[in-house]
Formats: sequence, C-alpha cells, structure tokens
Amino acid sequence: SQQGEEDPQALSIQEGENATMNCSYKTSINNLQWYRQNSGRGLVHLILIRSNEREKHSGRLRVTLDTSKKSSSLLITASRAADTASYFCATLDSGGYNKLIFGAGTRLAVHP
Amino acid sequence: EPEVTQTPSHQVTQMGQEVILRCVPISNHLYFYWYRQILGQKVEFLVSFYNNEISEKSEIFDDQFSVERPDGSNFTLKIRSTKLEDSAMYFCASSSPATVDTQYFGPGTRLTVL
Repeated sequence: SQQGEEDPQALSIQEGENATMNCSYKTSINNLQWYRQNSGRGLVHLILIRSNEREKHSGRLRVTLDTSKKSSSLLITASRAADTASYFCATLDSGGYNKLIFGAGTRLAVHP
Repeated sequence: EPEVTQTPSHQVTQMGQEVILRCVPISNHLYFYWYRQILGQKVEFLVSFYNNEISEKSEIFDDQFSVERPDGSNFTLKIRSTKLEDSAMYFCASSSPATVDTQYFGPGTRLTVL
C-alpha cells in the first residue's frame, strides 16, 4: 500500500510566503510525523502529531491531522530560503515494530 | 545535541563485493533501524533491531543483508555481494525507550555500486 502520499510533488514560492504541503494515508495510525531532507542529506525530524490531536505547532510549523479523512497538512509560515528542502510525511506501520513508512515527499523551493 | 553518525559518507564498490556501513546511534537509544533511499525515490524501511536481534525486516532485506551491533556503540549493515541496484543512500536511525515513536536519522551513506 502507498501510505503517506504527499502533494504537491513540488512547490515554488517566494520568501515570506506560506507553504502548505498535504499528506494522505490509507491505514489506521497512532501518529504521523513530518521530516525534512536537505538535498543529499539526512532526514531531520520536524514534528509528530498523535492520532488524538488535531493541530500542533512548533515555531513556524503548523501541522493538522484529520483522521476521518486520513490526511495531514504541514504549513510553514513566513518561509525563508533556508526552508528549501524536501518534506516527507511518515506513519508508523500499525502492524510493524516502529517501521516508518514514508511518502514520496514534496520538494519545496523558496526563492529570495 | 546528541546525533546519529554514519561512516563513510560515500562508498564506491564493485559489483559482487562486500560492504559494511557503520552507524553510531545516540548513546541512550535502544532501538535501531536501517532505511534506504534510491535516488529520486521514497525512503524505504529495511530492518529494525532491538535487544540484539532483528525485530522486523522488509522484503528488501534478503539474505545478502545482515546487521550487527558488535559493541556497545556501533550498529552495522553488511551487504555480502553488492548488486547494481543496491546503489542508494542508506540511513541509520535510532530511538529511545522514552520516545520510541520518534526516530533520529543519521546523515546517510551514499553507496555506489559499479
């Protein structure tokens, strides 16, 4: 199954604008996580939202979770050029032992 | 801040050769993982390891792959006979008992099989 599919695949915005990325998933989850990956680098954990939470904030990040629609969104406010990266949502496989299932990611480009 | 480290950052090998990718997880973490990312594709789970044994492995993790925690700090992934399609970025991750859902990833090792 394709758990954690993001859209859009690519997003190009100007500095100062907000960026919204969406993620859909198919199975029941305990939590959903967002990671950032700078080009050719490792994955940086951004935020985790549990299935009983609807919204969570961390600095300029806002994550929402709608379990009825099996979807999540990541909003980055007042974007900066340094936010340029790929963003992935990931869910823990309900039948697995902490196995993260990643989506294909959204490539965000923030232009100065 | 503690972080997961991986060596080497880039490994080039000939098809059929054995490679060992090394990881040093965060010191108080007890759960360890390997993932890989073929260029332009999704990050894929390979294996999870806890209490000195494999907890779960994916279909990708066939008999050519093995993992080991040879001492109290290192966690290794061995590929016995590399294939061209093993070329990918390999990420090690770890998580602590207190926050097991949050996995901390290393910077990755880029493996190129020629």
